[in-house]
Amino acid sequence: QVQLVESGGGVVHPGRSLRLSCAASGFTFTTFGLHWVRQNPGKGLEWVAGISYDGSSKDYADSVKGRFTISRDNSKNTVSLQMSSLRPEDTAVYYCARNDEFSSGGKYFSVGAFDIWGQGTKVTVSS
Amino acid sequence: DIQMTQSPSSLSASAGDRVTITCRASQGITNDLSWYQQKPGKAPKRLIYAASHLQSGVPSRFSGSGSGTEFTLTVSSLQPEDLATYYCLQYNSYPWTFGQGTKVEIK
Repeated sequence: QVQLVESGGGVVHPGRSLRLSCAASGFTFTTFGLHWVRQNPGKGLEWVAGISYDGSSKDYADSVKGRFTISRDNSKNTVSLQMSSLRPEDTAVYYCARNDEFSSGGKYFSVGAFDIWGQGTKVTVSS
Repeated sequence: DIQMTQSPSSLSASAGDRVTITCRASQGITNDLSWYQQKPGKAPKRLIYAASHLQSGVPSRFSGSGSGTEFTLTVSSLQPEDLATYYCLQYNSYPWTFGQGTKVEIK
């Protein structure tokens, strides 16, 4: 079935790095954008980063720009989030989500944002 | 950045009640808005996309409307299993932004 499975979460000290991965199955990976969304404990949802179906377009929330890097490996059906210079406020459950999109005139347009979500992986940044 | 103002932040209603949640965008987003339901300890689930299109498999008591800057999610007859927090999301322009969420409780 269509599925996204995150991994890589854990406890890390402030200033250190961590890499999250999301493995996709059950659909044609190369035709969908992939995004990361996080949720601080007891708080709302925050969009973090997204990458287009072909990997050529990447976008980030201001709160992580310059510290986080999203990438994808279309040969392995995986998307990753490399997180560096981690801060306590990055503590959250991180979800991977699928985005149905199309390209026109060099830009990417979403059909309806996130139709499939992973179960999430928990990241705790603490000394 | 586009700000999404969602209201109310919480509500309590009885089974069978009609419930409406509103999201207001700080600038026009055409119909680039989706609604999500999140139950405790679970990942969000998409209910509505493109402002008014019902996600396959979602009960027809859920509906969405609006365009531009004003959007609503309506539950025509609230059911006990609708206990959850609901979020809107604008995907018109980056950074994509969620509303603050509406926690729905059943009386």
